[in-house]
Amino acid sequence: RKEVEQDPGPFNVPEGATVAFNCTYSNSASQSFFWYRQDCRKEPKLLMSVYSSGNEDGRFTAQLNRASQYISLLIRDSKLSDSATYLCVVNQGNQAGTALIFGKGTTLSVSS
Amino acid sequence: DAGVIQSPRHEVTEMGQEVTLRCKPISGHDYLFWYRQTMMRGLELLIYFNNNVPIDDSGMPEDRFSAKMPNASFSTLKIQPSEPRDSAVYFCASSWLRAEQFFGPGTRLTVL
Repeated sequence: RKEVEQDPGPFNVPEGATVAFNCTYSNSASQSFFWYRQDCRKEPKLLMSVYSSGNEDGRFTAQLNRASQYISLLIRDSKLSDSATYLCVVNQGNQAGTALIFGKGTTLSVSS
Repeated sequence: DAGVIQSPRHEVTEMGQEVTLRCKPISGHDYLFWYRQTMMRGLELLIYFNNNVPIDDSGMPEDRFSAKMPNASFSTLKIQPSEPRDSAVYFCASSWLRAEQFFGPGTRLTVL
């Protein structure tokens, strides 16, 4: 089983749609979780951290299910500018400073 | 702050040549990471440093790859000799403790 798995997509949605991405991870000791966004031919950038209680940042909502080792990202009212690849990221273990493992990403294309 | 700086941005070389990629992390960051990204394998961690000391180099593909961090403001990733399968985008990232990783713009390497 891969350490971090994501549906590669692409997800093609119209503006205003709600879209959800899912991610599973294999290391039960992982403590930190993130969603990064990567635009075409650009570097990855942090979109949001994912907390156990779930968290929201504007149109973006992240959820974590530790029992199922499952992370989700929900985007409401999609904008054209949301078109990008979304990377699910977990840390390797429970040690401070351990490195991050990136999923291969889910590609989102929002059209008008 | 200028962010993470990488050079060169593009490198085209012939098989067998030595390639040196350079990175300047964000001032004050104590972690530095080298990643490689390909379509097939996604974003892979190669090696990371904490306070200039290599912590985990298990992701380095083979002995042809080496990385150094002689001081807090500079790191290199060297490939000698280079092979066509090394063609990828190489990212450097830095962070402070377990906080957000900031990525450089990447070096797009093509080995002919």
